[in-house]
Amino acid sequence: ETGVTQTPRHLVMGMTNKKSLKCEQHLGHNAMYWYKQSAKKPLELMFVYSLEERVENNSVPSRFSPECPNSSHLFLHLHTLQPEDSALYLCASSWTRYSNQPQHFGDGTRLSIL
Amino acid sequence: GQQLNQSPQSMFIQEGEDVSMNCTSSSIFNTWLWYKQEPGEGPVLLIALYKAGELTSNGRLTAQFGITRKDSFLNISASIPSDVGIYFCAGPNTGNQFYFGTGTSLTVIP
Repeated sequence: ETGVTQTPRHLVMGMTNKKSLKCEQHLGHNAMYWYKQSAKKPLELMFVYSLEERVENNSVPSRFSPECPNSSHLFLHLHTLQPEDSALYLCASSWTRYSNQPQHFGDGTRLSIL
Repeated sequence: GQQLNQSPQSMFIQEGEDVSMNCTSSSIFNTWLWYKQEPGEGPVLLIALYKAGELTSNGRLTAQFGITRKDSFLNISASIPSDVGIYFCAGPNTGNQFYFGTGTSLTVIP
């Protein structure tokens, strides 16, 4: 599915680096999400944006900083990450932020912290 | 806390066999969604269920919204190698909190 595009697909960074993950959706949706997927764990919802406004922040450490400049783009800025932050980061979008709306996912960014 | 438990955790089956998996919750859900995730890709929506008792098919896949609204089932008939992947249930409970299940990993042996 190419409706939600994430870049880069893979990222290796040191703990002192600053990098950003990008997500773009071409579906005309109004809500966007960041998830973290670690091995052997359910997907963890990190942030929810609706019409560019952050509506949910699930106790995510401040070293993760989201940005939503418009309804089609979502960024996750990373700084001073820890080894336990290594995971697959998935972006998703849906028509609205109402929780019964199916979410469409990108293919994720595989993040490795050295 | 709330958790969606999926069973079985993993399955190894022969090509052509039927597959059954389920998802259970400790609270009532308003919607059940079933996703499939293949290696190196994001989850893809397979089936959405919106009403208790609802039975919906998508090709060889059939899913049901449990009558108690605390569970859902996914069946795959006549499995083929490309059915390999991890199957997730997901949905919002009546408190409007959205959850993903723990996943069922499916391996199909040709």
